[in-house]
Amino acid sequence: ETGVTQTPRHLVMGMTNKKSLKCEQHLGHNAMYWYKQSAKKPLELMFVYSLEERVENNSVPSRFSPECPNSSHLFLHLHTLQPEDSALYLCASSQDQQGRETQYFGPGTRLLVL
Amino acid sequence: QKEVEQDPGPLSVPEGAIVSLNCTYSNSAFQYFMWYRQYSRKGPELLMYTYSSGNKEDGRFTAQVDKSSKYISLFIRDSQPSDSATYLCAMRDYNQGGKLIFGQGTELSVKP
Repeated sequence: ETGVTQTPRHLVMGMTNKKSLKCEQHLGHNAMYWYKQSAKKPLELMFVYSLEERVENNSVPSRFSPECPNSSHLFLHLHTLQPEDSALYLCASSQDQQGRETQYFGPGTRLLVL
Repeated sequence: QKEVEQDPGPLSVPEGAIVSLNCTYSNSAFQYFMWYRQYSRKGPELLMYTYSSGNKEDGRFTAQVDKSSKYISLFIRDSQPSDSATYLCAMRDYNQGGKLIFGQGTELSVKP
């Protein structure tokens, strides 16, 4: 088991629902990431936080809203999603966001939007 | 054109076979090459990394990088059923602050 946990592990939501994904890292890292993994597609970086400040937002639609209240916790708030947003959402952390620091991934939240 | 090309498979081999997994890339700014392994219902975990051209060995795994051809490989010797997973290549784009760029992953199945 890695030092990065994610809840819930599975989520089914309608297009009008609001839900949140939670990520927690127990590794003492300073950087945290959200990725989207769709079938047969490369991992897509969505957001990067370093020392609780957002440093990158890869043109993600506003229906995805991240929140990083401290260096150990990361949330992804979801509202009015589309069926094409169904995917595995992975959280990762690293010591910092530059250089060669290894990113450690959580197990992901499998999201299905109906 | 994808930044990193990786054959998605699935690749099925018998136990004990040598497995070759490959990625090609187009951007010379890509450095620091990695292989992640992702088991079903798990997140990716770092398997190996290398910076320079050449080979790096770790047990049954060998990572090979050819920067001149923009080609990286992962070899698995004496493959085991426990090696069945999806293997993702990744590399850092230093024109984008070291951002990780992933291939789409190759699904490997090792049959007993």
